[in-house]
Amino acid sequence: SYVLTQPPSVSVAPGQTARITCGGNNIGSKSVHWYQQKPGQAPVLVVYDDSDRPSGIPERFSGSNSGNTATLTISRVEAGDEADYYCQVWDSSSDWVFGGGTKLTVL
Amino acid sequence: QVQLVQSGAEVKKPGASVKVSCKASGYTFTSYGISWVRQAPGQGLEWMGWISAYNGNTNYAQKLQGRVTMTTDTSTSTAYMELRSLRSDDTAVYYCARASSTVVTADFDYWGQGTLVTVSS
Repeated sequence: SYVLTQPPSVSVAPGQTARITCGGNNIGSKSVHWYQQKPGQAPVLVVYDDSDRPSGIPERFSGSNSGNTATLTISRVEAGDEADYYCQVWDSSSDWVFGGGTKLTVL
Repeated sequence: QVQLVQSGAEVKKPGASVKVSCKASGYTFTSYGISWVRQAPGQGLEWMGWISAYNGNTNYAQKLQGRVTMTTDTSTSTAYMELRSLRSDDTAVYYCARASSTVVTADFDYWGQGTLVTVSS
């Protein structure tokens, strides 16, 4: 089965840049989606198809995908960005797969 | 605006079944699919399956095959997820999510508020 690996936690000071990685075998050949989930809330799509943003998502959120690693980058981090972030891909053998999630802490 | 409103919390005994509903509004229901995702307490997201609201085609996660059934009622724009033979490890928040197109491989652009299902004797 296809596995996505995320760091359990990432910490960043306000105003700095946070980078959350998602590792998978040849993930660069797949479309990666990213979700933000705040405590007690449903997930929200923040990046789809590697690097596109849904309407209403700030330009501070961006994504990239190459080789064996996809990355969600959050620029000028704000306190309100503190949340869990999940990457997701479709794999023909494993169907939809989520990464284990990364807790972003804003110091 | 697009909204997915789910049914309320449920408490079930092991071996029972649960059926969660997801009522859609603000878009043409039959032009999209619905995926179901669950999240055990303190854990990550787990995809359960997908149904096309256009033609009722389904795709279930292998580990749930035989225990889960997803259906839709196009007259009320409502999707349903039934899980049978409940076990304690089925305790989770269950989410419905709209697939951004009619295919199972589309991302999930809108989510319901979640339904807590507790399985306990």
